[in-house]
Amino acid sequence: KAGVTQTPRYLIKTRGQQVTLSCSPISGHRSVSWYQQTPGQGLQFLFEYFSETQRNKGNFPGRFSGRQFSNSRSEMNVSTLELGDSALYLCASSLSGWHNEQFFGPGTRLTVL
Amino acid sequence: AQRVTQPEKLLSVFKGAPVELKCNYSYSGSPELFWYVQYSRQRLQLLLRHISRESIKGFTADLNKGETSFHLKKPFAQEEDSAMYYCALGSSNTGKLIFGQGTTLQVKP
Repeated sequence: KAGVTQTPRYLIKTRGQQVTLSCSPISGHRSVSWYQQTPGQGLQFLFEYFSETQRNKGNFPGRFSGRQFSNSRSEMNVSTLELGDSALYLCASSLSGWHNEQFFGPGTRLTVL
Repeated sequence: AQRVTQPEKLLSVFKGAPVELKCNYSYSGSPELFWYVQYSRQRLQLLLRHISRESIKGFTADLNKGETSFHLKKPFAQEEDSAMYYCALGSSNTGKLIFGQGTTLQVKP
């Protein structure tokens, strides 16, 4: 079966702009989680969506938001971009949550100038 | 607070040597621990989880609740084991999967 896909793969934005990232989970998976990966902080949990509802949230400012559609596809939005938002953003899908195997996408590399 | 610590950023060993990647966690409830691995140019993927008690690619990990550790071990490292390894902790209380900062394993020929 097809793996998790993320679009776009690369993004370059300037400070103050906003960005939307997309994640298409594996068919049948209802949980989508988002992570920010940086060399200094490793993998940090952003939020998890299940059946179109945000079920859990990490310690990120309100500039980071997301949503999930009825087909389980998920989007993540970052508004008022800051230089520190430059990172690899990973999404992971699973059948129903953290206790199931997480299948990761290739990530979206966001660079904020 | 739920926390995972991997004290080594880089672990370098020679082929055939034993490997131990350290993972310590902080959590007061009943955690579930996982090891995820990312090989070069590949996606992050599950290696093993403590409830399975399996050996995957020669790796094992035992949950030690007394020492709050979940170290990953392999008796004889292979060059293809070179990768980034992440320890992760999940719990029903928080509903989150929290990752450590990762350890790069470098196996030299």
